[in-house]
Amino acid sequence: EDKVVQSPLSLVVHEGDTVTLNCSYEVTNFRSLLWYKQEKKAPTFLFMLTSSGIEKKSGRLSSILDKKELFSILNITATQTGDSAIYLCAVVGGGSQGNLIFGKGTKLSVKP
Amino acid sequence: DTGVSQDPRHKITKRGQNVTFRCDPISEHNRLYWYRQTLGQGPEFLTYFQNEAQLEKSRLLSDRFSAERPKGSFSTLEIQRTEQGDSAMYLCASSLVITEAFFGQGTRLTVV
Repeated sequence: EDKVVQSPLSLVVHEGDTVTLNCSYEVTNFRSLLWYKQEKKAPTFLFMLTSSGIEKKSGRLSSILDKKELFSILNITATQTGDSAIYLCAVVGGGSQGNLIFGKGTKLSVKP
Repeated sequence: DTGVSQDPRHKITKRGQNVTFRCDPISEHNRLYWYRQTLGQGPEFLTYFQNEAQLEKSRLLSDRFSAERPKGSFSTLEIQRTEQGDSAMYLCASSLVITEAFFGQGTRLTVV
């Protein structure tokens, strides 16, 4: 069965800390891995990763994919209270045509 | 607004009633997904379409659930004989094949 597993499930840090969120997957017909941020409403897209070892970066957020070990990490440096959210990892793969399979998410709380 | 739109945003219904939700995807996107999300969980896949063809349905999608995308544009999700366990946020997303998916704001269903 295709699955995406995120860890930790929740994390509490203080402003200025650096955090690393993990996503591992076992998915047939892997095509890409996506990271989303979800606050109170719908998930918003952060990154799409398709190739191993190439870091994607946007401001204080960065992500990298390891297709050999089947995982990805999302790093957030110098965290701010506005980073508090659920971070979702999703993999495009599985099925005959490719589906979008989500993990349960990591709930990040950044304290002032 | 050229994003994914969902209607209604909120729906309160009595147990046993039927409800229908609508999703209008980004116009050039040929993939459309439906997900269900409960508090503290990542989105759970329900079904997806490529153009008007429904390519995959989750085992979560009981006989009471049906989805259509008649002309390959908007989609509807109907739940018949609603149960309290159907209370959740129903999310729609759209994409081009194997690109990132963009989400609508969701329809929050409460079954009383």
